[in-house]
Amino acid sequence: ILNVEQSPQSLHVQEGDSTNFTCSFPSSNFYALHWYRWETAKSPEALFVMTLNGDEKKKGRISATLNTKEGYSYLYIKGSQPEDSATYLCAKYSGGGADGLTFGKGTHLIIQP
Amino acid sequence: KAGVTQTPRYLIKTRGQQVTLSCSPISGHRSVSWYQQTPGQGLQFLFEYFSETQRNKGNFPGRFSGRQFSNSRSEMNVSTLELGDSALYLCASSLGTGRGEQYFGPGTRLTVT
Repeated sequence: ILNVEQSPQSLHVQEGDSTNFTCSFPSSNFYALHWYRWETAKSPEALFVMTLNGDEKKKGRISATLNTKEGYSYLYIKGSQPEDSATYLCAKYSGGGADGLTFGKGTHLIIQP
Repeated sequence: KAGVTQTPRYLIKTRGQQVTLSCSPISGHRSVSWYQQTPGQGLQFLFEYFSETQRNKGNFPGRFSGRQFSNSRSEMNVSTLELGDSALYLCASSLGTGRGEQYFGPGTRLTVT
Protein backbone atom coordinates (compact mmCIF):
# COMPACT_ATOMS: atom_id res chain seq x y z
CA ILE A 1 0.00 0.00 0.00
CA LEU A 2 1.47 3.32 -1.08
CA ASN A 3 -1.16 5.70 0.26
CA VAL A 4 -3.64 5.89 3.10
CA GLU A 5 -6.80 4.16 1.92
CA GLN A 6 -10.19 3.97 3.56
CA SER A 7 -13.05 1.61 2.90
CA PRO A 8 -15.85 1.68 2.27
CA GLN A 9 -16.12 5.09 0.62
CA SER A 10 -19.69 5.48 1.93
CA LEU A 11 -21.95 3.54 4.21
CA HIS A 12 -25.66 3.62 5.07
CA VAL A 13 -26.50 2.14 8.47
CA GLN A 14 -29.81 1.79 10.29
CA GLU A 15 -30.11 3.62 13.60
CA GLY A 16 -29.21 1.27 16.42
CA ASP A 17 -26.99 -0.99 14.31
CA SER A 18 -23.25 -1.27 14.87
CA THR A 19 -20.75 -0.67 12.10
CA ASN A 20 -17.06 -0.57 11.36
CA PHE A 21 -14.72 0.65 8.67
CA THR A 22 -11.11 0.31 7.71
CA CYS A 23 -8.05 2.47 7.28
CA SER A 24 -5.04 0.91 5.50
CA PHE A 25 -1.66 2.59 5.41
CA PRO A 26 1.98 1.87 4.53
CA SER A 27 3.50 0.15 7.55
CA SER A 28 6.94 1.69 6.97
CA ASN A 29 7.97 4.93 8.68
CA PHE A 30 5.05 4.78 11.08
CA TYR A 31 4.83 7.34 13.87
CA ALA A 32 1.11 7.78 14.63
CA LEU A 33 -2.36 7.13 13.23
CA HIS A 34 -5.06 9.78 13.67
CA TRP A 35 -8.85 9.44 13.36
CA TYR A 36 -11.06 12.49 12.81
CA ARG A 37 -14.80 12.99 12.46
CA TRP A 38 -15.94 15.70 10.03
CA GLU A 39 -19.57 16.74 10.22
CA THR A 40 -21.12 18.87 7.50
CA ALA A 41 -20.54 22.61 8.01
CA LYS A 42 -18.15 21.97 10.90
CA SER A 43 -14.41 21.49 11.32
CA PRO A 44 -12.75 18.07 11.54
CA GLU A 45 -12.69 16.93 15.16
CA ALA A 46 -10.08 14.55 16.57
CA LEU A 47 -11.30 11.20 17.82
CA PHE A 48 -8.11 9.26 18.51
CA VAL A 49 -4.37 9.37 18.06
CA MET A 50 -2.80 5.92 18.20
CA THR A 51 0.88 5.12 18.25
CA LEU A 52 1.53 1.58 19.48
CA ASN A 53 0.88 -1.71 17.71
CA GLY A 54 -2.13 -3.35 19.33
CA ASP A 55 -3.45 -0.05 20.69
CA GLU A 56 -7.17 0.05 21.40
CA LYS A 57 -8.90 3.32 22.24
CA LYS A 58 -12.49 4.06 23.17
CA LYS A 59 -14.61 7.19 23.44
CA GLY A 60 -18.22 6.51 24.32
CA ARG A 61 -19.72 4.27 21.63
CA ILE A 62 -16.73 4.70 19.30
CA SER A 63 -13.58 2.61 19.50
CA ALA A 64 -10.53 1.98 17.35
CA THR A 65 -7.80 -0.60 17.01
CA LEU A 66 -4.37 -0.39 15.43
CA ASN A 67 -2.07 -2.91 13.73
CA THR A 68 1.14 -1.18 12.69
CA LYS A 69 2.86 -4.34 11.44
CA GLU A 70 0.26 -5.04 8.76
CA GLY A 71 -0.75 -1.39 8.33
CA TYR A 72 -4.41 -1.12 9.24
CA SER A 73 -6.77 0.39 11.77
CA TYR A 74 -10.46 -0.28 12.38
CA LEU A 75 -13.01 2.20 13.67
CA TYR A 76 -16.10 0.76 15.35
CA ILE A 77 -19.36 2.51 16.20
CA LYS A 78 -21.72 0.66 18.49
CA GLY A 79 -25.46 1.37 18.40
CA SER A 80 -25.32 4.06 15.69
CA GLN A 81 -27.23 7.28 16.30
CA PRO A 82 -28.22 9.99 13.78
CA GLU A 83 -25.58 12.31 15.26
CA ASP A 84 -22.91 9.83 14.15
CA SER A 85 -23.57 10.81 10.53
CA ALA A 86 -20.32 12.33 9.32
CA THR A 87 -17.22 11.66 7.26
CA TYR A 88 -14.61 9.73 9.20
CA LEU A 89 -11.02 10.43 8.21
CA CYS A 90 -7.86 8.62 9.15
CA ALA A 91 -4.39 10.06 8.72
CA LYS A 92 -0.90 8.67 9.10
CA TYR A 93 1.93 10.69 10.59
CA SER A 94 5.38 9.56 9.48
CA GLY A 95 7.43 11.73 11.79
CA GLY A 96 8.70 14.49 9.56
CA GLY A 97 10.08 15.06 6.11
CA ALA A 98 7.62 16.08 3.43
CA ASP A 99 4.69 14.13 4.80
CA GLY A 100 2.96 15.93 7.64
CA LEU A 101 -0.36 14.15 8.09
CA THR A 102 -1.33 12.00 5.09
CA PHE A 103 -5.10 11.65 5.01
CA GLY A 104 -7.29 9.02 3.45
CA LYS A 105 -10.31 10.19 1.47
CA GLY A 106 -12.68 9.22 4.27
CA THR A 107 -15.70 7.04 4.87
CA HIS A 108 -18.98 8.93 4.56
CA LEU A 109 -21.38 7.46 7.11
CA ILE A 110 -25.13 8.07 6.96
CA ILE A 111 -27.33 6.85 9.78
CA GLN A 112 -30.90 6.21 8.69
CA PRO A 113 -33.63 6.59 11.36
CA LYS B 1 -10.20 28.16 25.55
CA ALA B 2 -10.75 29.82 22.17
CA GLY B 3 -10.54 27.56 19.14
CA VAL B 4 -8.61 27.94 15.92
CA THR B 5 -9.78 30.88 13.86
CA GLN B 6 -9.31 31.52 10.17
CA THR B 7 -9.91 34.66 8.15
CA PRO B 8 -11.45 35.35 5.79
CA ARG B 9 -14.07 32.60 5.65
CA TYR B 10 -14.89 33.13 2.00
CA LEU B 11 -12.90 34.69 -0.80
CA ILE B 12 -13.39 35.15 -4.53
CA LYS B 13 -10.36 36.00 -6.66
CA THR B 14 -9.55 36.01 -10.35
CA ARG B 15 -6.82 34.08 -12.12
CA GLY B 16 -3.39 35.64 -11.81
CA GLN B 17 -4.11 37.41 -8.53
CA GLN B 18 -2.55 36.51 -5.23
CA VAL B 19 -4.22 35.79 -1.91
CA THR B 20 -3.24 35.69 1.76
CA LEU B 21 -5.10 33.58 4.29
CA SER B 22 -4.68 33.88 8.05
CA CYS B 23 -4.83 31.36 10.88
CA SER B 24 -4.74 31.99 14.64
CA PRO B 25 -3.99 28.83 16.62
CA ILE B 26 -5.16 27.79 20.05
CA SER B 27 -3.22 29.60 22.76
CA GLY B 28 -0.10 27.65 23.66
CA HIS B 29 0.06 25.69 20.42
CA ARG B 30 3.28 26.26 18.52
CA SER B 31 2.54 24.17 15.44
CA VAL B 32 0.29 25.27 12.60
CA SER B 33 -0.37 23.02 9.61
CA TRP B 34 -2.16 23.96 6.41
CA TYR B 35 -4.27 21.63 4.25
CA GLN B 36 -6.09 21.94 0.95
CA GLN B 37 -9.37 20.11 0.51
CA THR B 38 -10.81 19.50 -2.94
CA PRO B 39 -13.63 17.11 -3.83
CA GLY B 40 -11.46 14.76 -5.84
CA GLN B 41 -8.28 14.75 -3.76
CA GLY B 42 -9.45 14.95 -0.18
CA LEU B 43 -7.33 16.67 2.44
CA GLN B 44 -3.78 17.29 1.25
CA PHE B 45 -0.95 18.55 3.40
CA LEU B 46 0.57 21.87 2.33
CA PHE B 47 3.08 22.71 5.05
CA GLU B 48 3.67 22.91 8.78
CA TYR B 49 5.20 25.70 10.80
CA PHE B 50 6.65 25.26 14.26
CA SER B 51 8.14 28.12 16.25
CA GLU B 52 8.32 30.36 13.15
CA THR B 53 10.15 27.72 11.06
CA GLN B 54 8.76 25.64 8.24
CA ARG B 55 9.26 22.11 9.49
CA ASN B 56 7.45 20.04 6.85
CA LYS B 57 6.29 20.68 3.32
CA GLY B 58 3.93 18.78 1.04
CA ASN B 59 4.09 18.39 -2.72
CA PHE B 60 2.73 21.73 -3.84
CA PRO B 61 4.30 24.24 -6.26
CA GLY B 62 6.31 27.18 -5.05
CA ARG B 63 3.31 29.47 -5.60
CA PHE B 64 2.12 28.24 -2.22
CA SER B 65 4.06 29.73 0.66
CA GLY B 66 3.55 30.52 4.28
CA ARG B 67 5.02 32.02 7.38
CA GLN B 68 4.52 32.03 11.10
CA PHE B 69 4.86 34.92 13.49
CA SER B 70 6.26 34.99 17.01
CA ASN B 71 2.73 34.74 18.47
CA SER B 72 2.25 31.50 16.44
CA ARG B 73 -0.27 33.07 14.07
CA SER B 74 0.32 31.86 10.55
CA GLU B 75 -0.38 33.14 7.07
CA MET B 76 -0.55 31.26 3.82
CA ASN B 77 0.00 32.98 0.49
CA VAL B 78 -0.86 31.76 -2.98
CA SER B 79 0.52 33.76 -5.88
CA THR B 80 -0.57 33.73 -9.53
CA LEU B 81 -3.84 32.00 -8.76
CA GLU B 82 -5.10 29.25 -11.06
CA LEU B 83 -8.62 27.88 -11.41
CA GLY B 84 -7.44 24.65 -9.81
CA ASP B 85 -6.57 26.49 -6.61
CA SER B 86 -10.28 26.76 -5.83
CA ALA B 87 -10.63 24.76 -2.64
CA LEU B 88 -11.29 24.80 1.08
CA TYR B 89 -8.11 25.69 2.95
CA LEU B 90 -7.94 24.41 6.50
CA CYS B 91 -5.40 25.17 9.14
CA ALA B 92 -4.83 23.08 12.23
CA SER B 93 -2.90 23.79 15.38
CA SER B 94 -1.25 21.39 17.78
CA LEU B 95 1.50 21.12 20.34
CA GLY B 96 3.70 19.87 17.48
CA THR B 97 4.79 16.42 18.59
CA GLY B 98 3.03 14.47 15.82
CA ARG B 99 1.56 12.20 18.47
CA GLY B 100 -1.00 14.78 19.56
CA GLU B 101 -4.30 15.56 17.94
CA GLN B 102 -4.67 18.51 15.64
CA TYR B 103 -7.37 21.12 16.15
CA PHE B 104 -8.85 22.41 12.93
CA GLY B 105 -10.21 25.83 12.10
CA PRO B 106 -13.42 26.42 10.11
CA GLY B 107 -11.52 26.90 6.87
CA THR B 108 -11.37 29.51 4.13
CA ARG B 109 -13.35 28.76 0.99
CA LEU B 110 -11.39 30.17 -1.96
CA THR B 111 -13.02 30.46 -5.36
CA VAL B 112 -10.86 31.43 -8.33
CA THR B 113 -12.71 32.66 -11.42
